[in-house]
Amino acid sequence: DTEVTQTPKHLVMGMTNKKSLKCEQHMGHRAMYWYKQKAKKPPELMFVYSYEKLSINESVPSRFSPECPNSSLLNLHLHALQPEDSALYLCASSHVVPQDLNYGYTFGSGTRLTVV
Amino acid sequence: SQQGEEDPQALSIQEGENATMNCSYKTSINNLQWYRQNSGRGLVHLILIRSNEREKHSGRLRVTLDTSKKSSSLLITASRAADTASYFCATDAAPGFNKFYFGSGTKLNVKP
Repeated sequence: DTEVTQTPKHLVMGMTNKKSLKCEQHMGHRAMYWYKQKAKKPPELMFVYSYEKLSINESVPSRFSPECPNSSLLNLHLHALQPEDSALYLCASSHVVPQDLNYGYTFGSGTRLTVV
Repeated sequence: SQQGEEDPQALSIQEGENATMNCSYKTSINNLQWYRQNSGRGLVHLILIRSNEREKHSGRLRVTLDTSKKSSSLLITASRAADTASYFCATDAAPGFNKFYFGSGTKLNVKP
């Protein structure tokens, strides 16, 4: 299995809702990432997990809460979002040690989130 | 962007021509990678070049890296309409690992 699977593909939520984005991979990768991408902009790094521990938080607001329950799963919990948080949320995975990076990072197809 | 800039921002060429995109970045790196994105969906990995490499080829792709200038270029030879997409460079920033940042991107349009 060489895929990163993200669910749901589309999500519409109100500003008072709580929702979660899910990401799953079975490639044995021990680093997983969340990115946010606005239209016509590059992906922006939000969080990095290495060996199921949060290693990087790029000063993301607390209304975004990541969770890595095991080496195959990555969640992003959403609460009290704002309309400006509407974007494509991308998950990725990779090996942790750079010399294993012969094939780059593997990205999911993303969840397109709309906050109303 | 978090890491650097790409130029041009947009490039329009005829099928069969070569396309060159340039990337500049800000920090030291472990490696640099190029990705393609179609229609704002998932990113597809194209090629990876390590910080101690200067040039790499993969099919119609040629990547160069100049760490002294903190810059890289991607050349797509004999372009096809199917190459139409946005192209991003991305750097695995050093020191440390797995700090992966994207450049601003180049939107390539290949006209049939």
